[in-house]
Amino acid sequence: DIVMTQTPLSLSVTPGQPASISCRSGQSLLHSGGKTHLYWYLQKPGQPPQLLIYEVANRFSGVPDRFSGSGSGTDFTLKISRVEAEDVGVYYCMQSVQLPFTFGGGTKVEIK
Amino acid sequence: QVQLVQSGAEVKKPGASVKVSCKASGYIFTNYAMHWVRQAPGQGLEWMGWINTANGNTKYSQNFQDRVTLTRDTSATTAYMEVSSLRSEDTAVYYCATYITSPGDYWGQGTLVTVSS
Repeated sequence: DIVMTQTPLSLSVTPGQPASISCRSGQSLLHSGGKTHLYWYLQKPGQPPQLLIYEVANRFSGVPDRFSGSGSGTDFTLKISRVEAEDVGVYYCMQSVQLPFTFGGGTKVEIK
Repeated sequence: QVQLVQSGAEVKKPGASVKVSCKASGYIFTNYAMHWVRQAPGQGLEWMGWINTANGNTKYSQNFQDRVTLTRDTSATTAYMEVSSLRSEDTAVYYCATYITSPGDYWGQGTLVTVSS
């Protein structure tokens, strides 16, 4: 199984300030078809996860442009340019290049 | 709009089985796979498996291969996830999620299954 490692475990951010979350995979997530199968989700308190970013850097429908994803191969980053109160929750990365799909352990984002 | 509506919370005794449903609407059910994800209390997300809703083929994570069965009813546009021989460690919220353009692009609200004697 591909191990997904997220850092940090938690983050406390002042509203309006940026935040960054790292995700590292145990092997390359580049598929033979040319796409990189790395996704980011946000799970707000008491809610199911919601897709934020697909294939490393593409915002899902309705996701604000303050969220951006980058990276390649085995190293990926989710950035929030200016954190807002509604961004609190746990962020997960996930890979789908190989079964079983695997998630990172999560990064909890709180507001200061 | 895509909607996934799951069945309600369940309380089961150890050794029993539970079957969770996921009613899909707003898209062509048989065109896209349905995935299932487990989240134990206070823990992270764990992918369980997926079902090809067109032909019923399934793929399971090794962690769930022995006791989990995924099925679907195409006429009811509903996917099902059954766990047998329940143990206390199976206490969790179980989610269904579509893979229309990306894995987990839409999620059900979750179903809490509590295993307790």
